[in-house]
Amino acid sequence: GAGVSQSPSNKVTEKGKDVELRCDPISGHTALYWYRQSLGQGLEFLIYFQGNSAPDKSGLPSDRFSAERTGGSVSTLTIQRTQQEDSAVYLCASSLDGPGQYFGPGTRLTVT
Amino acid sequence: GNSVTQMEGPVTLSEEAFLTINCTYTATGYPSLFWYVQYPGEGLQLLLKATKADDKGSNKGFEATYRKETTSFHLEKGSVQVSDSAVYFCALGSGGSNYKLTFGKGTLLTVNP
Repeated sequence: GAGVSQSPSNKVTEKGKDVELRCDPISGHTALYWYRQSLGQGLEFLIYFQGNSAPDKSGLPSDRFSAERTGGSVSTLTIQRTQQEDSAVYLCASSLDGPGQYFGPGTRLTVT
Repeated sequence: GNSVTQMEGPVTLSEEAFLTINCTYTATGYPSLFWYVQYPGEGLQLLLKATKADDKGSNKGFEATYRKETTSFHLEKGSVQVSDSAVYFCALGSGGSNYKLTFGKGTLLTVNP
């Protein structure tokens, strides 16, 4: 079956621009997660959705970062006024209840 | 807070050698423990998991045992193959349903023929 998909796979943007990253979870998975993978910080948790609600946003690095999920399915991570330190691979994962998350291929964001 | 420490790489082995990648953790409560693998050019894949003390997770010849007394979850494989070359991440899950993963920094394994 189809796994987690993310788009775009690569995004290059200028400092100060806004970007939107999209995640399509595995069909039927109620939980959705965003992580960030960078050389300096490794893999970091950003936000967790259960359905359309986000009970844990504690990993979002600043108020420039926001995320939403609609219809219990697709999620969008938005970064406003991008900075060079936002350059990273943004990973989405989904799961049913219980441990074990399935990751998408990621979006590589480069801020120039 | 929660943290995961895994041995730093890179690790280079010959084919059919024995592999151990050490992982220890600090956590409150009763986390689940995971190993994820990232093959070159691919995304993170769940390799194995253990949800309670003394559980052994296994997959593709890899094994890891959840040791609460030593707060460890070391990854082992008896005979590695070239195709096992990848980055391996140890992680713990916390929160309700263990949703929040905390990762180690990853260990790069290269297996030479």
